[in-house]
Amino acid sequence: EDQVTQSPEALRLQEGESSSLNCSYTVSGLRGLFWYRQDPGKGPEFLFTLYSAGEEKEKERLKATLTKKESFLHITAPKPEDSATYLCAVQASGAGSYQLTFGKGTKLSVIP
Amino acid sequence: GAGVSQSPSNKVTEKGKDVELRCDPISGHTALYWYRQRLGQGLEFLIYFQGNSAPDKSGLPSDRFSAERTGGSVSTLTIQRTQQEDSAVYLCASSLRPGLAGRQFFGPGTRLTVL
Repeated sequence: EDQVTQSPEALRLQEGESSSLNCSYTVSGLRGLFWYRQDPGKGPEFLFTLYSAGEEKEKERLKATLTKKESFLHITAPKPEDSATYLCAVQASGAGSYQLTFGKGTKLSVIP
Repeated sequence: GAGVSQSPSNKVTEKGKDVELRCDPISGHTALYWYRQRLGQGLEFLIYFQGNSAPDKSGLPSDRFSAERTGGSVSTLTIQRTQQEDSAVYLCASSLRPGLAGRQFFGPGTRLTVL
């Protein structure tokens, strides 16, 4: 069974204080790992797709990396508007595989 | 263009009543997904549509749950004889095609409260 574990559950940072969120996964074969951002009362918003170990993607203050067992979402010099819950999901490989398995998320709060 | 829309945004119902939740995906997206998000839990996959057919209904938690999609567009999730444990946010998402399952576009969700 595919599993995704995110840590920490919650993270409070001062504005400008860089940190990383962790996503550990177990999947029979990885087709892709995905990061989403979810603001309160809204649906998740797609951020990144990572397909293979060693791959990195960047967007503004966010950088996602992938190894064979985990992914990190690095946040550099965060701003209050980065406050949200960050979700990690995996998609297994295999014919007809379309289902995403999500972690519970990390709730990030950036304090001015 | 318009994103994924869901209605109603909030639904309060009494235990034992039936409810219908609606999802309008992005135009042209062939794949549509329903998820349930309970408080403090991750998104739980319910069902997936490719066009009007649902190849996988394994995520539906019980036979009280059903879903349909018509015209390759609008989808309705129906919960019969609602129970308190059905209280959650129900999210709908669509993607251009199943191969891009990871890049899903989500609606704002319907918050269901069963009293």
